[in-house]
Amino acid sequence: NAGVTQTPKFQVLKTGQSMTLQCAQDMNHNSMYWYRQDPGMGLRLIYYSASEGTTDKGEVPNGYNVSRLNKREFSLRLESAAPSQTSVYFCASSLQGVAQPQHFGDGTRLSIL
Amino acid sequence: QKEVEQNSGPLSVPEGAIASLNCTYSDRGSQSFFWYRQYSGKSPELIMSIYSNGDKEDGRFTAQLNKASQYVSLLIRDSQPSDSATYLCAGKGEDSNYQLIWGAGTKLIIKP
Repeated sequence: NAGVTQTPKFQVLKTGQSMTLQCAQDMNHNSMYWYRQDPGMGLRLIYYSASEGTTDKGEVPNGYNVSRLNKREFSLRLESAAPSQTSVYFCASSLQGVAQPQHFGDGTRLSIL
Repeated sequence: QKEVEQNSGPLSVPEGAIASLNCTYSDRGSQSFFWYRQYSGKSPELIMSIYSNGDKEDGRFTAQLNKASQYVSLLIRDSQPSDSATYLCAGKGEDSNYQLIWGAGTKLIIKP
């Protein structure tokens, strides 16, 4: 009964380092999403995957890349981390599209020094 | 720029009273709205969705949608301390099936 699992939960990086955030869901959902959440702001969509084999840019895609590895897994990569990418990152999934409820992972708290 | 706006709060409500949370939106084409609850340090969880004008009730929660006035509200009856959280309003526009427009959230505090 895991739902959406994100790893790692916390990470500190130095400017210029790269890393990949992992996300996996076991609900047989088609759509998956990556958001960032900053203080005083709503969730902002970075990238989404409508279904296996497709990915599309969201509101704030610059500095990020994604891979929909299979139906279960959707990863987010920071190629060259910048302090402006310090944030809480949430992965979410839904059966199909945002008209269906989105289920969120526990989040990754990322600090870029 | 399509927006969803919420008063950031905090909104302080006595235990047992009705908490009223409001949200306005700019996109007249928005079709569906969602209320998510987010406890401090946790992830958002869906508590209500509403797709048509009027009221929708689920237990202690009632969502209200008024498309003509472009606002959505969430009422919580018999408020409990466990309802203390940030409530996020999100809307789905007619031009995307995969992007929600999120408000920044209203922090609700229920005082015992």
